[in-house]
Amino acid sequence: EVQLVESGGGLVQPGGSLRLSCIVSGFTFSSYWMHWVRQAPGKGLVWVSRTNIDGSNTNYADSVKGRFTISRDNAKNTLYLQMNSLRVEDTAVYYCVRQVAASSTEFDYWGQGTLVTVSS
Amino acid sequence: QSALTQPVSMSGSPGQSITISCTGTSSDVGHYKYVSWYQQHPDKAPKLLIYDVDKRPSGVSTRFSGSKSGNTASLTISGLQAEDEADYYCCSYARDVTWVFGGGTKLTVL
Repeated sequence: EVQLVESGGGLVQPGGSLRLSCIVSGFTFSSYWMHWVRQAPGKGLVWVSRTNIDGSNTNYADSVKGRFTISRDNAKNTLYLQMNSLRVEDTAVYYCVRQVAASSTEFDYWGQGTLVTVSS
Repeated sequence: QSALTQPVSMSGSPGQSITISCTGTSSDVGHYKYVSWYQQHPDKAPKLLIYDVDKRPSGVSTRFSGSKSGNTASLTISGLQAEDEADYYCCSYARDVTWVFGGGTKLTVL
């Protein structure tokens, strides 16, 4: 069974940092592109970032570029999101998401999410 | 990277059909045949319904179908059922290896 389990969310002050983790199981993690997608309370889905299979190629939404860093440890089956210079508007549930295949663009498995709250 | 435009809310009666639109630009929806749709029930993770504009993953009901014309994609749900009440999001691949979601449509089954 495919599972994606996020952790690391919590309350942080504006300007602070947080690192999210996503431990996966049930599939060969090193074969899949992975993403982070967020959802502010009561709002819609927003794509945040993506990494290729070995972490050598990454992309970011303009709203987080220069502040967030996506990375992965294939030996630990873990995806990360390092978030620096956090802003109130970064408050959201952050989902770890699997892309179906490198040749596709859709997302087939999502974690349950971890809530990040940025507030003073 | 502006969000794709979807109607905020829609409603329909059981058995009816509804179509949710998703309007982007020539840099995303209009440029690529890579539009997907997701269904999200309250406090649940999204579920893939449609990919590559009009393809359905195995296990997804044939009542869900997708299409695209120009910069606008559409999701049609036929034979509305109570369990279809949920939020629906479109998503498009965009330039520079990025993705963009729509703002979401809240569907109410009357």
